[in-house]
Amino acid sequence: SQQGEEDPQALSIQEGENATMNCSYKTSINNLQWYRQNSGRGLVHLILIRSNEREKHSGRLRVTLDTSKKSSSLLITASRAADTASYFCATDTGTASKLTFGTGTRLQVTL
Amino acid sequence: GAVVSQHPSWVICKSGTSVKIECRSLDFQATTMFWYRQFPKQSLMLMATSNEGSKATYEQGVEKDKFLINHASLTLSTLTVTSAHPEDSSFYICSAYDFGSGSWNEQFFGPGTRLTVL
Repeated sequence: SQQGEEDPQALSIQEGENATMNCSYKTSINNLQWYRQNSGRGLVHLILIRSNEREKHSGRLRVTLDTSKKSSSLLITASRAADTASYFCATDTGTASKLTFGTGTRLQVTL
Repeated sequence: GAVVSQHPSWVICKSGTSVKIECRSLDFQATTMFWYRQFPKQSLMLMATSNEGSKATYEQGVEKDKFLINHASLTLSTLTVTSAHPEDSSFYICSAYDFGSGSWNEQFFGPGTRLTVL
């Protein structure tokens, strides 16, 4: 399988804390994206980082990419209960090409 | 952003029957749509790439005769699960690129269809 790995599989933190999840992939990529999925729902696009970028920010999100290690991390700062969801990384190998998803991290943020 | 809808949102059927799931791009044209399957607490697995006006491209291990895909227009792709069995019970999600938005790398996902086969 070409599916990427994410760790941790599950993460439980308290509101206000930071959450970090990691993604590793197997092949060369064009872009890496992070998605959020609330239970039983569709996916929401969070952020895209290109293979020639090393870090990107969007609001409380910070994404890093290390192509030499074939890995990426997603940091959510000052987490909120509404951040409770599953988070997936996904890679593509070209413009408008198919996505390969990681195994996902289930984040639980408690009050 | 672009909106993708799916219908139905959930369906329960008897074993041996066929179920059709629709995926529509509401405010853009999608020459290519993707169909994914997701089992509980697992990730999304790409089943096939649906191409408007031509045959779908199936991923290895996906039975094309069981999962029929028709992309009849630029805004509609359908997935038909033929002779469904309990092991086909899953969450099916479609997605599409909106080339008109200038974003060539962001896939927009539908809300998913939960299929339960009794």
